[in-house]
Amino acid sequence: KQEVTQIPAALSVPEGENLVLNCSFTDSAIYNLQWFRQDPGKGLTSLLLIQSSQREQTSGRLNASLDKSSGRSTLYIAASQPGDSATYLCAVPTSRTNAGKSTFGDGTTLTVKP
Amino acid sequence: NAGVTQTPKFQVLKTGQSMTLQCAQDMNHEYMSWYRQDPGMGLRLIHYSVGAGITDQGEVPNGYNVSRSTTEDFPLRLLSAAPSQTSVYFCASSPDRGGSPLHFGNGTRLTVT
Repeated sequence: KQEVTQIPAALSVPEGENLVLNCSFTDSAIYNLQWFRQDPGKGLTSLLLIQSSQREQTSGRLNASLDKSSGRSTLYIAASQPGDSATYLCAVPTSRTNAGKSTFGDGTTLTVKP
Repeated sequence: NAGVTQTPKFQVLKTGQSMTLQCAQDMNHEYMSWYRQDPGMGLRLIHYSVGAGITDQGEVPNGYNVSRSTTEDFPLRLLSAAPSQTSVYFCASSPDRGGSPLHFGNGTRLTVT
């Protein structure tokens, strides 16, 4: 059974810092890996999706990397801003044919202080 | 384009009551799923559907029923609510088997007393 772990559970940084969030998974035979952002009381918003054949994906100040062999993904946030404060979750499909059947990490709650 | 819409946003039930959580998407997505989110336990899959008329169980299906009569709608029914079903429920959809991102609704916060 796939297990997804995110460390740390919480992170507080001053504005402007670069930071890295970690996601580990136990079964390296993944189809893709997705990073989400969740604001309090809201649903999940997709940030980046990395296919299993890719090493990284970039969107603005966000960069996600994937190392299947070691079962790890990182989300790098450059020049953090208070608006980046949220919970970040990673998810891995448990089926190659259905992304909706995914295993989620518990998330890292990020606070960026002005 | 509304995306994934969930209703109601909040609901309080008494033990034993039944209710239906609604989920609708206007993106013509084939794949839809229901998750519950609990502190310390993350998001867990309840039921999912790969198309109209096709549903299957996820990790925690007991106490819940689903049906998928149309591509757009995927309601989740609580048959006899229990306090253990107090949670935040999320509906998600995706257009294909795994190459595209999941789209989530804003959730329904359910309290069972």
